[in-house]
Amino acid sequence: AQSVTQPDIHITVSEGASLELRCNYSYGATPYLFWYVQSPGQGLQLLLKYFSGDTLVQGIKGFEAEFKRSQSSFNLRKPSVHWSDAAEYFCAVGGGYQKVTFGTGTKLQVIP
Amino acid sequence: EAGVTQFPSHSVIEKGQTVTLRCDPISGHDNLYWYRRVMGKEIKFLLHFVKESKQDESGMPNNRFLAERTGGTYSTLKVQPAELEDSGVYFCASSQGAVSYNEQFFGPGTRLTVL
Repeated sequence: AQSVTQPDIHITVSEGASLELRCNYSYGATPYLFWYVQSPGQGLQLLLKYFSGDTLVQGIKGFEAEFKRSQSSFNLRKPSVHWSDAAEYFCAVGGGYQKVTFGTGTKLQVIP
Repeated sequence: EAGVTQFPSHSVIEKGQTVTLRCDPISGHDNLYWYRRVMGKEIKFLLHFVKESKQDESGMPNNRFLAERTGGTYSTLKVQPAELEDSGVYFCASSQGAVSYNEQFFGPGTRLTVL
């Protein structure tokens, strides 16, 4: 069965610092991988997705993620965090017509 | 273009009562999904409609949950009777295509509290 692990429940970073959110997945074939963000009172918004090709994926709001098959990872990165990035981030995996499976989320706090 | 909307935003009911959640997908999206997040846990898939048909309802917890999508437009999710463990945030999402690489657009969720 497919699964996603986000080992960090809560992360705090200073504004302007770099960010990396970890995601490990389990999937029997080539996965489709996603990162979503949920700001307070909002629905989930897709940041980026990977299906094939270049393993470094660029998304919205200056985020990027790198697919590493050997490590079954899809970590999300941002070089310089802004206060508006404070939110909850979800990694997800799917494939073909299979339903999408989400991780438990990582809450990001940004301090001045 | 309007996004996915959900009603109500919050609902507080007592154990044994009935609650109906509503989701209006983005116009033209044939695929509609329901998810649930219990506090601190992952977002779990409940079911998937393609137009008015249930494509996959493998995530529905039990027969106290009934989802409908009459006419292939909006959808309702009824919980009857509600139990304490049904508390959580219920998300609805819609997409144009069914293949999982199609972006799912999420609503803001309905927070259900069962006392």
